Amino acid sequence: EIVMTQSPATLSVSPGERATLSCRASQSVSSNLAWYQQKPGQAPRLLIYGASIRATGIPARFSGSGSGTEFTLTISILQSEDFAVYYCQQYNNWPLITFGQGTRLEIK
Amino acid sequence: EVQLVESGGGLVKPGGSLRLSCAASGFTFSSYSMNWVRQAPGKGLEWVSSISSSSSYIYYADSVKGRFTISRDNAKNSLYLQMNSLRAEDTAVYYCARDSPGLMGVIDYWGQGTLVTVSS
Repeated sequence: EIVMTQSPATLSVSPGERATLSCRASQSVSSNLAWYQQKPGQAPRLLIYGASIRATGIPARFSGSGSGTEFTLTISILQSEDFAVYYCQQYNNWPLITFGQGTRLEIK
Repeated sequence: EVQLVESGGGLVKPGGSLRLSCAASGFTFSSYSMNWVRQAPGKGLEWVSSISSSSSYIYYADSVKGRFTISRDNAKNSLYLQMNSLRAEDTAVYYCARDSPGLMGVIDYWGQGTLVTVSS
């Protein structure tokens, strides 16, 4: 099983600032990495796939980078609606897809 | 508009059974692989099971293998999860989730989830 580790567990950032979230895979997943956003009481929403490709309708302030074992999700100018929990997920080892434990992005 | 609506969750005793359903609409259900993904209270996401569009390929997480059975009825645009021998650690919100076209393992739509509570 490929273990996905996200850091930090909680990130406190002020609106209008930049947020950088990290995700590390226990072995290479190439670029087969997705990011999801989940707000309280809601289902996850796909943000990024292929490590850096924004999903349909996702604002340009969300960007992803990385390959192999190290990945980053950057939110360039935080809006109030961006405060949520973010999960990375590898699908290189499909069907055994695995998620990180999540990073909670909170208002500073 | 793509919609996935789960039902069938509830309270069940350890060792009991439950069948979850997911009604799909707004897309050609028979063309997509589907998944069940769960989330224990206050915890992260865990993939449970996948089924290909024609049910030819079925996969399970080790944690549920031998106890859960995924199935689908393309004529009814429905996905199912039969859960037997339930344990306390199966307590979670269960999401019905669609694979993105051509990207196996990338989930582009999720239902709102149904809560399964296993407790005596």
